[in-house]
Order: sequence, then structure tokens, then C-alpha cells
Amino acid sequence: AQKITQTQPGMFVQEKEAVTLDCTYDTSDPSYGLFWYKQPSSGEMIFLIYQGSYDQQNATEGRYSLNFQKARKSANLVISASQLGDSAMYFCAMRERAGGTSYGKLTFGQGTILTVHP
Amino acid sequence: NAGVTQTPKFQVLKTGQSMTLQCAQDMNHEYMSWYRQDPGMGLRLIHYSVGAGITDQGEVPNGYNVSRSTTEDFPLRLLSAAPSQTSVYFCASSYSPDRLSQPQHFGDGTRLSIL
Repeated sequence: AQKITQTQPGMFVQEKEAVTLDCTYDTSDPSYGLFWYKQPSSGEMIFLIYQGSYDQQNATEGRYSLNFQKARKSANLVISASQLGDSAMYFCAMRERAGGTSYGKLTFGQGTILTVHP
Repeated sequence: NAGVTQTPKFQVLKTGQSMTLQCAQDMNHEYMSWYRQDPGMGLRLIHYSVGAGITDQGEVPNGYNVSRSTTEDFPLRLLSAAPSQTSVYFCASSYSPDRLSQPQHFGDGTRLSIL
């Protein structure tokens, strides 16, 4: 079974509008972390935002926020006031224990391509 | 700051050839890992290391070898290249693997084509 599912292969948004990128996950571990990365056309992976499973509040980083619904196992990324430079591939990822107490492994979803129109 | 440095950036190999993708980090990170990125499949973990001298397999380890003799370096070896190994390879590192919140820092990737 997929541990991380991103159901939107592509999304379009008008400049200055908000957009939500969906991510659902599957784990039986009560302690885990969720990450979002951006990959522009140049190819590098850029860390955007983190949400821990025990965090009481939704994470925010500038124009990025995470709509974390633990019972639904979803961690959707919200980008407010979209800019042309936000056009990129976006990946959701989860880190669980890699045996014992080690949290090393990161599992990625398939990604969502976001296109921002002027 | 250099961060995570991968070399080469591009490489073309013939089937059956071997080669080593280099990865070095200057952040004193304990955890290092290799991923491959294929269209429609996200990034998949090949091998990882939680410290010098300690390595383990990820999701797709077949055809690849790793070693970690120093904290800084984590090379990935293709033993006998196959067309199915055509992909973009990313090296990543982070602080202690026990720090759940630490993001992984990625290199710029190596685009590898196997003919």
C-alpha cells in the first residue's frame, strides 16, 4: 500500500490566488513527521515546511501553511497569494521510525505539478 | 556554504559499465541517503547510512552498493549498469536520524543515462 498519496498529478492556479495541494498518508506509528518539498524546473529539492504528529497547531512558514488533519491522515499544503515562481513540482514526504527509535527514512509521494497563470 | 555536493551532474554509460556517483556534505550530518527519481514515482530510497561505517538498504537497493568510511562522504556505486537504472539520483543528508523534525538537505542531483 502507498504510504504517501498525492492524488493531483497537476494543478492550475491564477496568480495571487490561494491553492491547496493534497497529501494523505498511511502509518501505524504514533510518532512521525510530514514534510513538503518544492522542485522547480531546475531540479533541486527545496524544503518548505514540516509538521510533527504531536504538534498541536498547523505549521506555517511565510506563504506556506499545512492543513493537518490527523484523524483523516491528511497533510495538505496551502500556498497563499500564488506567484509565478511557485510553478514547480511539489512533493509530500513522511518520516517514520526506521526500526527502534531511529527516524531516518523519508518516503515520498508521486508529486503534484503546480502551474501558476498570470 | 557548500551543503551537499554531488558529482558528476550528468553521465552517460553503456550497459554493463560500472561507475561511482560521489556525494559529500560539509554540515557534519550523521544521516545520509541516496534516492532515485523516476517520472510519476516520486523519489525512492536506494540506500542510507546513519553514521560512518553503518549502511542499510532502502526500497530499491538492487544493483547498487554504498559505503560510508567518513562522516562527509557517501558514494553510490553502480556495479553493472542497466537501462533500468536511467534516472536522476539525489543524495541527501540530515542531522541525527533520531531528530524527527530535521529536514533532509538535498544535492542538485545527477542525471544518469544508460544506453
